[in-house]
Amino acid sequence: EVQLVESGGGLVQPGGSLRLSCAASGFTFSSYSMNWVRQAPGKGLEWVSYISSSSSTIYYADSVKGRFTISRDNAKNSLYLQMNSLRDEDTAVYYCARVPRGSYFNFDYWGQGTLVTVSS
Amino acid sequence: DIQMTQSPSSLSASVGDRVTITCRASQGISNYLAWFQQKPGKAPKSLIYAASSLQSGVPSKFSGSGSGTDFTLTISSLQPEDFATYYCQQYNSYPPTFGGGTKVEIK
Repeated sequence: EVQLVESGGGLVQPGGSLRLSCAASGFTFSSYSMNWVRQAPGKGLEWVSYISSSSSTIYYADSVKGRFTISRDNAKNSLYLQMNSLRDEDTAVYYCARVPRGSYFNFDYWGQGTLVTVSS
Repeated sequence: DIQMTQSPSSLSASVGDRVTITCRASQGISNYLAWFQQKPGKAPKSLIYAASSLQSGVPSKFSGSGSGTDFTLTISSLQPEDFATYYCQQYNSYPPTFGGGTKVEIK
């Protein structure tokens, strides 16, 4: 069974940093590209970042470019999102999402999410 | 960026009703369209990809159609577990974008 479990969320002040993790199991993590998608409270879904299986290709949404860094450790079956210079508008539940082989943004499995709150 | 517009934004329906949700893309996306179901406090769940292909394990009461700019999600006979918010998403081009959601409520 595919499982994705996010962690690392919490309360952080504007301008602060946070590192999210996503632990994967139930599939060969190193063979799949991954994404982060977020959802502000009471709002819709917003794609954040993509990383290919080998980390050779990375994309970011304009809203986080230059502030967030996606990475992965295939030996640890883990995906990460380093978030710096956090803003109020980054407050959201952050989901990691897998994509099928050969796809970039067709999300088939999602984690349960981790809440990031940016507030003073 | 491609804009995805869903309608209606909400609807009230009864158990057993046939429900149709529409999604329109601001430019052609071929069939690179997915549908998700989200219940309160839960992660989105993939229902349909490639506009009309059912994800593994998703019941056949869900169906999708369309190509180009206009798409529909149909629930053939609404059940209590189907009351949720539904999102469409295009993955034809970067960045991927989602519709605003359609909340399906009990009448």
